[in-house]
Amino acid sequence: EPEVTQTPSHQVTQMGQEVILRCVPISNHLYFYWYRQILGQKVEFLVSFYNNEISEKSEIFDDQFSVERPDGSNFTLKIRSTKLEDSAMYFCAGNRDSLNYGYTFGSGTRLTVV
Amino acid sequence: GQSLEQPSEVTAVEGAIVQMNCTYQTSGFYGLSWYQQHDGGAPTFLSYNALDGLEETGRFSSFLSRSDSYGYLLLQELQMKDSASYFCAVRVFYNQGGKLIFGQGTELSVKP
Repeated sequence: EPEVTQTPSHQVTQMGQEVILRCVPISNHLYFYWYRQILGQKVEFLVSFYNNEISEKSEIFDDQFSVERPDGSNFTLKIRSTKLEDSAMYFCAGNRDSLNYGYTFGSGTRLTVV
Repeated sequence: GQSLEQPSEVTAVEGAIVQMNCTYQTSGFYGLSWYQQHDGGAPTFLSYNALDGLEETGRFSSFLSRSDSYGYLLLQELQMKDSASYFCAVRVFYNQGGKLIFGQGTELSVKP
């Protein structure tokens, strides 16, 4: 079964540093998302991406965050200057059709900001 | 605002049936999904209801009442491996693709 692949699985970074989280979506997916989950809390929407542009972003997704899919395969989330509160599990997800009901999530990147 | 409510935890015994409820208040409602998550791993899609009624997929069933803003996930013939967190998520349609708004999740513990 096709999978969404995320790298790295765990990233430790110092506060103020930039991080890039990478995702390889399923090849026939058209809609891509980033979600995050702070330890012990619910999964929160960050951003949706379609046709090489952001469709919607949450209030969490401020100017420190950016996404891109430069080569048509990798889908990246960049945090420019990390804060302690950015420590969370970050999940990439995708689906084929905007009306399709099931999202496929990657296994996540655990980001720890120290 | 958007909010979903789920009980924080449920305990049941192997072989039993368990129902996990979800109530929601959202705008732009398009459907209710259920996801399973083991130990902080990838949420795995289980079921989806766009219309009122019951959807069945093997041991899992999901129910939706749009008029009551309520749904539930029913697990039958519980197995130890079903111990996990279960999240309801409202699918909100917005521009292209929409998004999922998740509840806080119900931690299911299955005892022998």
